[in-house]
Amino acid sequence: RKEVEQDPGPFNVPEGATVAFNCTYSNSASQSFFWYRQDCRKEPKLLMSVYSSGNEDGRFTAQLNRASQYISLLIRDSKLSDSATYLCVVNTNAGKSTFGDGTTLTVKP
Amino acid sequence: SQTIHQWPATLVQPVGSPLSLECTVEGTSNPNLYWYRQAAGRGLQLLFYSVGIGQISSEVPQNLSASRPQDRQFILSSKKLLLSDSGFYLCASPDRRGGNTIYFGEGSWLTVV
Repeated sequence: RKEVEQDPGPFNVPEGATVAFNCTYSNSASQSFFWYRQDCRKEPKLLMSVYSSGNEDGRFTAQLNRASQYISLLIRDSKLSDSATYLCVVNTNAGKSTFGDGTTLTVKP
Repeated sequence: SQTIHQWPATLVQPVGSPLSLECTVEGTSNPNLYWYRQAAGRGLQLLFYSVGIGQISSEVPQNLSASRPQDRQFILSSKKLLLSDSGFYLCASPDRRGGNTIYFGEGSWLTVV
């Protein structure tokens, strides 16, 4: 079993739709959590951190459920520019970062 | 914030040829540095990490090696490339302000033919 698992995707949604991605992790000692965005043939870039109480950044909402060991990313009112691959990242307190394989989102007109 | 530079951005190499990818970091000192590889449609695999000059740890056995000759320079090498070495190679470093976020260089696309 992988340490970090994501919805396999791809997700194909129309503009304006709401889409949610889930990510589960196996290491209960994991301390910090992030969502990264990766455009085609580009490096991953930090989208947002995920805090225990949940956090929102514009149209993006991240949630953490430590008991069930999963995190989620919700995108509201999808834009064409949201099309990308979204990577879930989980860090242990030893500083080790483990990346999910990513979920690909395509937003269509 | 720190800036990570990688080169070359793209290269096509024949099987059996050598490889050298270079990464330099600006805006920080004594950074932890990482080399990741991403195969097509897959996640990131940590290849090497370094906590200081001359200090290299390998995460997976492979055909590659890494070196850190200077504080802000990290090099990925191979003496003889294999087809399976093809992929997207990324140099990365944690946020110099602390915390656990990681920042990446622009990446190097390697195709072994």
